[in-house]
Amino acid sequence: EAGVAQSPRYKIIEKRQSVAFWCNPISGHATLYWYQQILGQGPKLLIQFQNNGVVDDSQLPKDRFSAERLKGVDSTLKIQPAKLEDSAVYLCASSLDGLEVGYEQFFGPGTRLTVL
Amino acid sequence: GDSVTQMEGPVTLSEEAFLTINCTYTATGYPSLFWYVQYPGEGLQLLLKATKADDKGSNKGFEATYRKETTSFHLEKGSVQVSDSAVYFCALTAGNMLTFGGGTRLMVKP
Repeated sequence: EAGVAQSPRYKIIEKRQSVAFWCNPISGHATLYWYQQILGQGPKLLIQFQNNGVVDDSQLPKDRFSAERLKGVDSTLKIQPAKLEDSAVYLCASSLDGLEVGYEQFFGPGTRLTVL
Repeated sequence: GDSVTQMEGPVTLSEEAFLTINCTYTATGYPSLFWYVQYPGEGLQLLLKATKADDKGSNKGFEATYRKETTSFHLEKGSVQVSDSAVYFCALTAGNMLTFGGGTRLMVKP
């Protein structure tokens, strides 16, 4: 079974530029998550999708971050414009049904973003 | 809100030593508890979980017991190997959101 795919793996941009990350979840997984992991910290949830609808985006900085999952499969996360403090690893995860407690989340390898 | 506190690392051990990584939590309701592991260059992987008080999760020689009275979920292994070197994250969910601790880096020397 293929895992969660993410691209690119690394990205370096200058502040005020825009950047986009792509995620393809495990086939059949209804729930998709984007996390931000700052160096030395645990991952923090940015947004959760159930199929193509948003379940929770309470911690997404909506003035600069946006995410979509138009067909309920793959997803993109965009930052525009980027700030220095956005430097982090962006993790995508998926699960069969995130609304049921106990369903395991499977994580992709992440995209490491450096903002100069 | 919900939170998870882990012991700070790095933890450096010799091969075959006993490992304990402390984890305590604060949550409303009755959370499920997890340990995730992140090997160098790889994504997070679920190591073990426990969904109710007194449950013991175990996998690959690692164990953790859900202690409601002390709000703890400490990770233990009797004999670590060099291949266990990684970052370990304690996490909880009381709904559909995972809340992670800050992570503990384990380094095992031969």
